[in-house]
Amino acid sequence: DAGVIQSPRHEVTEMGQEVTLRCKPISGHNSLFWYRQTMMRGLELLIYFNNNVPIDDSGMPEDRFSAKMPNASFSTLKIQPSEPRDSAVYFCASSSAGASYGYTFGSGTRLTVV
Amino acid sequence: AQSVAQPEDQVNVAEGNPLTVKCTYSVSGNPYLFWYVQYPNRGLQFLLKYITGDNLVKGSYGFEAEFNKSQTSFHLKKPSALVSDSALYFCAVKGSSNTGKLIFGQGTTLQVKP
Repeated sequence: DAGVIQSPRHEVTEMGQEVTLRCKPISGHNSLFWYRQTMMRGLELLIYFNNNVPIDDSGMPEDRFSAKMPNASFSTLKIQPSEPRDSAVYFCASSSAGASYGYTFGSGTRLTVV
Repeated sequence: AQSVAQPEDQVNVAEGNPLTVKCTYSVSGNPYLFWYVQYPNRGLQFLLKYITGDNLVKGSYGFEAEFNKSQTSFHLKKPSALVSDSALYFCAVKGSSNTGKLIFGQGTTLQVKP
């Protein structure tokens, strides 16, 4: 298995532009998580899906952020419009159902908004 | 509410010495506990987990962790540190009644000096 695949690895964009981050979870995993990591705030859970349905989006910072999971093998996190304070590393992780399973993380997307 | 605390932002040890990275938790029901490691510019990698059974859990790269129910702790240990162990370490917990999200600690930077 190729693991959790995120694209792009790096994204540099200008303030005000739309940014779309992509994630392909491990086949058979039915939970998907989006995290943001910064030096100041550490690792923050933005949103998670179970069986393609958003379960908890309380971590999404504001309406500029949206996430979708149209099917079991694909999810997107969109920021529109982007701002410099959105600069961070965004991680996607997936997991099987059940409390005894941990997460498998992707390699992350490093977003820089200038 | 579930929570995880990693009381040390950074741990410094000399190569060859034993290391301990501390973690305490609060969760309803039986805890499922995890350690992850993050190397620079990489995603989080699973190290080990405690679900049930023996309180001493062995994981990847020679790491182990000891579950202590009375102290609600799950400290990460290694008998002899390597310079290559230098990384950011995260402790995480799920409650047995919760099939959803892991709660992560804020992370501890381990610095192993030659």
